[in-house]
Order: sequence, then structure tokens, then C-alpha cells
Amino acid sequence: GQQVMQIPQYQHVQEGEDFTTYCNSSTTLSNIQWYKQRPGGHPVFLIQLVKSGEVKKQKRLTFQFGEAKKNSSLHITATQTTDVGTYFCAGEDSNYQLIWGAGTKLIIKP
Amino acid sequence: DAGITQSPRHKVTETGTPVTLRCHQTENHRYMYWYRQDPGHGLRLIHYSYGVKDTDKGEVSDGYSVSRSKTEDFLLTLESATSSQTSVYFCAISESAYRVKQGGTEAFFGQGTRLTVV
Repeated sequence: GQQVMQIPQYQHVQEGEDFTTYCNSSTTLSNIQWYKQRPGGHPVFLIQLVKSGEVKKQKRLTFQFGEAKKNSSLHITATQTTDVGTYFCAGEDSNYQLIWGAGTKLIIKP
Repeated sequence: DAGITQSPRHKVTETGTPVTLRCHQTENHRYMYWYRQDPGHGLRLIHYSYGVKDTDKGEVSDGYSVSRSKTEDFLLTLESATSSQTSVYFCAISESAYRVKQGGTEAFFGQGTRLTVV
């Protein structure tokens, strides 16, 4: 079946370092969405990318959607303790179903 | 946060007993979903609904059933709970998506229900 692979599973960074998570789909996606889940919380929508090659920024977060609409990335510049959590991508297929990546857990080293 | 309420928030039950989880929304969104979340697996879709009395299976539907008799309520039932169904369950809602809109709309999640089957 259709899959969205997300890597890495975990990333440990020092506060102030950058963080990147990547998602790759086996098929072309209609759009891709990104969510953040804080420890003990529920997933919260961050952004949706629709167009091929689209790049969107939210303060220190940069989201990209690949030209073929099969891959996406989230990059955080100069991480802060408030960035801690698990970041999920979710690609929407042609049947309007969300296919979720397994998430990347961002851990800030003290 | 969108108006989504899950109940109960925590439940411990014994193997073999039936369990029903409730999701209630005040947003009048068409789509409702039940997910389970387990370490290393992310979110896995159990069942979803695209309207009153219209439901369909997700990727991990075995052992679960759902019902939606009203727009605002979506019930998930574990007919006979097993230890493998110990998990955190999330309900989510979203508006309808049409091709002409070039993409769907985001999902809003409830706070989750932590279910332990002993």
C-alpha cells in the first residue's frame, strides 16, 4: 500500500543547532501537511503545502514540497526548548486520505 | 483548539470486555476519524466517517467497530478488548475536501484517550 517514510526517527540537538526531518512518499501526493505533537499532547496542524516545489516559512521553520510532489522537508533554524516534540508529516492521496509518516522526535540536549 | 471532546480520557479495562470511546465535535465537520498511536508507529487509522451512518475501514480496523448516528458524535467500540489494543486513541475531524480546492484541509485532533487493557 501507499506509504510515507519519515526520517530520522529521533534527532538529538544542542539548543541553537538546526533540525531537519524528511518525508518520502511512494506515490505522488495531492498535498502534504505537517503537524507537531508536544510530549503528552495531541497533534497540532502546522502547515499545508500544495504546489510542486512550494516553500513556506513560519518564523524559524521552513517547509518544502518537492518538485515531483513525493517528498517534503521541515527545517528548524536555531532550535529552542519550545521546539521539543514529535513532528509528523501527512500526505494526502488521491482519495483524500491522509497517509502519516511515523514522526521524528526532536530532543534538545541540555 | 477546535471543539472536539473525547471521553473518557483514561480507561483501564480487562481483557475480553467491551469498551466504547466517544468523540464529540461542535464544528459540524463532515469527516471524523479514529486513530491509534503507538511508539514507533506514528498514527494509524482505525476507521473514519464521511457522514452520518457513512463509515469505512482504515488500515488497522480488525477488532474495532464504529458508529455515527449524529454529525457530532463518532463512537469507537472494542468488541472484546485485548492487550494489543492498549494504546492512545485520538479522534480527529476535518472539513470536506474537493479536487477543485487543490488539496484537502487540515485535521483537528482531540486530546486523546489512554486505554490500558490488562
